[in-house]
Amino acid sequence: DVKVTQSSRYLVKRTGEKVFLECVQDMDHENMFWYRQDPGLGLRLIYFSYDVKMKEKGDIPEGYSVSREKKERFSLILESASTNQTSMYLCASSLPGLRYGYTFGSGTRLTVV
Amino acid sequence: DQQVKQNSPSLSVQEGRISILNCDYTNSMFDYFLWYKKYPAEGPTFLISISSIKDKNEDGRFTVFLNKSAKHLSLHIVPSQPGDSAVYFCAASDGGSGGGADGLTFGKGTHLIIQP
Repeated sequence: DVKVTQSSRYLVKRTGEKVFLECVQDMDHENMFWYRQDPGLGLRLIYFSYDVKMKEKGDIPEGYSVSREKKERFSLILESASTNQTSMYLCASSLPGLRYGYTFGSGTRLTVV
Repeated sequence: DQQVKQNSPSLSVQEGRISILNCDYTNSMFDYFLWYKKYPAEGPTFLISISSIKDKNEDGRFTVFLNKSAKHLSLHIVPSQPGDSAVYFCAASDGGSGGGADGLTFGKGTHLIIQP
């Protein structure tokens, strides 16, 4: 089974802290994505990457950056956490094409206080 | 500007009956559609997809119908089972079955509740 692992299920951080959310996939997928899920807003794309060291902005990149130094790992960075970044963060990966859709991790519930 | 709309936040269906979840889209460039299911505290899981060159795709109890002229798709679950209780997300891509590298656009989700 394809597995996408997010390093933390729950995180509590203080306003202004730099926060790293880690995601690792074990199936050699080229594409990786970070989404956030908020009640009433669905899933919104933050950043994506289709190759090592490549990164592209999604729909809501403000306040975030990403790093993809290795194919299997895609990190989301909150440069200076704010309370409006309290959310469920979901990492996903995929092969080229959509035949099998995306595989998502279990999510990280981040609370910024 | 919401390009994928799921206008029903929740839907309650009796066990054994048919569940119909609806999704509308506004972007005429979308040509591939997917449905995901999400349980609380878990990531979404891929259910079924359909290309715009088809109007129906079936996989076991799940069937997705696409009406391109109406920019509307629906997911039918027959018969509905208690384990189907979850949030269902509709998603779309404009890259066909070979696309998706630049992200999927998701709707807000519909919470399906199967009543015993």
